[in-house]
Amino acid sequence: GQNIDQPTEMTATEGAIVQINCTYQTSGFNGLFWYQQHAGEAPTFLSYNVLDGLEEKGRFSSFLSRSKGYSYLLLKELQMKDSASYLCASYGGATNKLIFGTGTLLAVQP
Amino acid sequence: ETGVTQSPTHLIKTRGQQVTLRCSSQSGHNTVSWYQQALGQGPQFIFQYYREEENGRGNFPPRFSGLQFPNYSSELNVNALELDDSALYLCASRTSGGELEQFFGPGTRLTVL
Repeated sequence: GQNIDQPTEMTATEGAIVQINCTYQTSGFNGLFWYQQHAGEAPTFLSYNVLDGLEEKGRFSSFLSRSKGYSYLLLKELQMKDSASYLCASYGGATNKLIFGTGTLLAVQP
Repeated sequence: ETGVTQSPTHLIKTRGQQVTLRCSSQSGHNTVSWYQQALGQGPQFIFQYYREEENGRGNFPPRFSGLQFPNYSSELNVNALELDDSALYLCASRTSGGELEQFFGPGTRLTVL
């Protein structure tokens, strides 16, 4: 089966660092995606991890531990425009499909 | 390079009606997936098309059906609409090669009254 779990909401302060955690249970796991989605818009790709370790892309980093079924997204130097929903999605299964979590709604406050 | 486009942007239907949503994949992408996103939820996988064949399906009833055309554009058809079908319908495309990143279209907001 496939299951994704992430916090529903988080609040952080402008300029700070926030870590959004995600745990997954995916048969035939082939990778972990993070997407950002602003209200009323389509998800946009942030990162993809298939091997254990940290992937860094500017202010955004993503970590994966396959043995623990765990990932996190790290956002540094938070800006107001980072207020959005962050979707964790595992890739795999018999038909190699993306399974999304419910998303974590991040509110960045001044 | 043209991104993923979807039409229409918004749609209002009544219970029992049928609807067709359309998606044009990004240039060079031959794999198209459809997702349903209810308010406050993550996208739920409906099905995936590759070379005009359905090659993966989520937990959606048969009244959700689709097509992919030779130019890789795609349609999502929903028959006998129910109130719970009200959602944002997202189309995403990717290549069939090693790149797994999916590019999403802007979505179609369907309201069933």
